Amino acid sequence: EIVMTQSSVTLSVSPGERATLSCRASQNINSNLAWYQQRPGQAPRLLIYGASTRATGIPARFSGSGSGTEFTLTISGLQSEDFAVYYCQQYNTWPPITFGQGTRLEIK
Amino acid sequence: EVQLVESGGGLVQPGRSLRLSCAASGFTFGDHAMHWVRQAPGKGLEWVSAISWNSGNTGYAASVKGRFTVSRDNAKNSLYLQMNGLRADDTALYYCAKATGGWYGPSNYFDYWGQGTLVTVSS
Repeated sequence: EIVMTQSSVTLSVSPGERATLSCRASQNINSNLAWYQQRPGQAPRLLIYGASTRATGIPARFSGSGSGTEFTLTISGLQSEDFAVYYCQQYNTWPPITFGQGTRLEIK
Repeated sequence: EVQLVESGGGLVQPGRSLRLSCAASGFTFGDHAMHWVRQAPGKGLEWVSAISWNSGNTGYAASVKGRFTVSRDNAKNSLYLQMNGLRADDTALYYCAKATGGWYGPSNYFDYWGQGTLVTVSS
């Protein structure tokens, strides 16, 4: 099983600033990584797939990078609606599909 | 508009069974693999199960293998999860999620999710 580790449980950033979220895979997953945003009381929403491709309707302030085992989600110019929980997910080798434990992005 | 609507959750005693359903609309259901993902209260996302577009392939998390069975009816645009031998640690919000492909290749990420149905296992 591929273990996904998100380095920060909680990240505190000020509105308007940049947030950098990290995700590490326990083995090579190529670029088969997705990022999701989950706001309180809502279902997850796909942000990024293929490590760096924005999903339909996702603003350009969201960007993803990385390949292999190290991945980053960057959110530039944080807006109030961006404060949420973010999960990475690998779909390179499954079952099982595995998620990171989540990073809660909070207002500083 | 793509819609996924789960139903069938509720309060159930340990050891009993429950069947979840997911009604899909707004896309060609029979072209896509479908997955179940759950979220225990206050916890992260946990993948549970998947079924290929034609029901020819299925997959399960180790925690549910042998107890849960995923199925689908493409004629009814519906996905199901039969859950037997329920345990307290199965308590969670269960989401159905649409994969972008049919099963093979790097397509098993989820572009649409339902709102979930809550399963509570308690005596």
